[in-house]
Amino acid sequence: DTGVSQNPRHKITKRGQNVTFRCDPISEHNRLYWYRQTLGQGPEFLTYFQNEAQLEKSRLLSDRFSAERPKGSFSTLEIQRTEQGDSAMYLCASSVMDGLRPTDTQYFGPGTRLTVL
Amino acid sequence: LAKTTQPISMDSYEGQEVNITCSHNNIATNDYITWYQQFPSQGPRFIIQGYKTKVTNEVASLFIPADRKSSTLSLPRVSLSDTAVYYCLVAGNTGFQKLVFGTGTRLLVSP
Repeated sequence: DTGVSQNPRHKITKRGQNVTFRCDPISEHNRLYWYRQTLGQGPEFLTYFQNEAQLEKSRLLSDRFSAERPKGSFSTLEIQRTEQGDSAMYLCASSVMDGLRPTDTQYFGPGTRLTVL
Repeated sequence: LAKTTQPISMDSYEGQEVNITCSHNNIATNDYITWYQQFPSQGPRFIIQGYKTKVTNEVASLFIPADRKSSTLSLPRVSLSDTAVYYCLVAGNTGFQKLVFGTGTRLLVSP
């Protein structure tokens, strides 16, 4: 399968601990996005990378959150000093403007479910 | 980004055609309409995308009237596995697009 992959799929942690999630985008997709989704809501945008550059960050991304994409391929999202309000599904998406579709069509991974106790 | 409005939920039976309408009154000239499907505990899955008139693929059809202020996703002969949340989004065709999801339409297909 050459879709977007995310690891781990589930993470349970205690409040105050740090967690890191990984996203591997579709090969050759130069754009990568992180979203967060809470129960009953649609995904909310967190941040965007084009290649290795982080070009946009949402106000939802507090200073406890940091995302990287060091070589323009996989990306990591770290949450420091987790809080119970961080419990959510963290989704990664990737895209490429290759002329096959007229817009920046994003393809999502399966997500990482974070539970903060 | 244009705001979209969809029904919160819909019910159907296996074998029926389901039409989910989305309104996007403030759609911009360069905006496209995209629909995603999401099952519980999975990421959204791209279904179909269009700009105007009708688009059809192996999964669904998308009908867009001339004024583009609304669109209708049509799922032919639904099965139980089509039970999911369906999101309608509008986004432009230049630069990166920060997708703005609403709460979507929860479709329940019963036997």
